[in-house]
Amino acid sequence: TQLLEQSPQFLSIQEGENLTVYCNSSSVFSSLQWYRQEPGEGPVLLVTVVTGGEVKKLKRLTFQFGDARKDSSLHITAAQPGDTGLYLCAGVRGGSNYKLTFGKGTLLTVNP
Amino acid sequence: DTAVSQTPKYLVTQMGNDKSIKCEQNLGHDTMYWYKQDSKKFLKIMFSYNNKELIINETVPNRFSPKSPDKAHLNLHINSLELGDSAVYFCASSQVRPNEKLFFGSGTQLSVL
Repeated sequence: TQLLEQSPQFLSIQEGENLTVYCNSSSVFSSLQWYRQEPGEGPVLLVTVVTGGEVKKLKRLTFQFGDARKDSSLHITAAQPGDTGLYLCAGVRGGSNYKLTFGKGTLLTVNP
Repeated sequence: DTAVSQTPKYLVTQMGNDKSIKCEQNLGHDTMYWYKQDSKKFLKIMFSYNNKELIINETVPNRFSPKSPDKAHLNLHINSLELGDSAVYFCASSQVRPNEKLFFGSGTQLSVL
């Protein structure tokens, strides 16, 4: 059973479109992180959310942590080809310090 | 300077061989990790060390043995390599806990033939 479910698994869109990626779980997390991974590289942290209902913005990217701290979403406005990559959510459950669990990722392709 | 560096970048070897992957971080972090990413891009933790002490050991065959000579280094030795070991292996580090930012190396693509 996958602890963190990400959807969609694959997403191919045209430059300028908006998109939302979801990360869902039946478990409560003390924090959730979003990473982006480009081919041949390791994941790079985009944001960490720790408070239920929290919204963080990073330029055209908006991250939201669910009120119950069981889910999160990433919304990209006016996607650009440079946004192409694998987006991974990862969470730490309370009482399991040091163990970060990753979702399976959403592979986003933004076509020019 | 690269924050987390791992070598080699590519490793092609025959079944049954023994190989090592080295990792070093120059961030002064206390915690280091090994992750395995399979062909479907699923990233799964294997081991975690905090100040040279093993704190996470997931269900990994004992052919895999991590070694941390000091808190800046975490190497991974794999004995008797099998076809199923083919994957990308990532080293990572964090200041104290994974609540904080995790820094990843660029990965080692292991191909077992």
